[in-house]
Amino acid sequence: QSALTQPPAASGAPGQRVTISCSGSTSNIGSYTVNWYQQLPGTAPKLLIFSDNQRPSEVPDRFSGSKSGTSASLAISGLQSEDEADYYCAAWDDSLNGPVFGGGTKLTVL
Amino acid sequence: DVQLVESGGGLVQPGTSLRLTCAASGFKFDDYAMQWVRQAPGKGLEWVSGVSWNGGAKHYAGSVTGRFTISRDNAKRSLYLQMSSLRTDDTAFYFCTKDIGSYTSGCLDGWGQGILVTVSS
Repeated sequence: QSALTQPPAASGAPGQRVTISCSGSTSNIGSYTVNWYQQLPGTAPKLLIFSDNQRPSEVPDRFSGSKSGTSASLAISGLQSEDEADYYCAAWDDSLNGPVFGGGTKLTVL
Repeated sequence: DVQLVESGGGLVQPGTSLRLTCAASGFKFDDYAMQWVRQAPGKGLEWVSGVSWNGGAKHYAGSVTGRFTISRDNAKRSLYLQMSSLRTDDTAFYFCTKDIGSYTSGCLDGWGQGILVTVSS
């Protein structure tokens, strides 16, 4: 059982906006920044959002992150077919003394 | 561009050992912490171990403590994971990853393609 909780699945039609939640505790999200990773089918994960809401330069601004208390969210606007992937949240965890990942959310573009 | 290439995976029997190697290029290797993350087939991501820029600080997930050892050779731009007393639940793709900082932060901005380790009798 992951220390961070994500919904197993999410979906949306092309052009729509979808959000993925990530719930943790005071030992992780409540104390440290959240990072999000995108894993396209058959490939390695890629950093999508870091420090709660920062995007690497190559990531489109359709992707955004936010955090409040012990929860975080990833929002994807203007959904495209190529956004179909698994999305993972992660944060440092004091109990683990390392990063902890969410269980992942499989995004389907209808 | 960051390039991380894992090698050393394969099929091994329970109780045996295996050493993974990650060859790094495209960045100043000795400036950054490095981590290993694994993913069982069809499952989610699990952090395994991390090491600071100079090898002085090492961290391990509870599931591998005492069985796995992480190390690095900055002169060779290489990261290693020595795995012993392997169990069937260690079966996974193992990813070599680059941390954004000198000490393990858990923010991983570079990933290798992954290498499969299968533990089975």
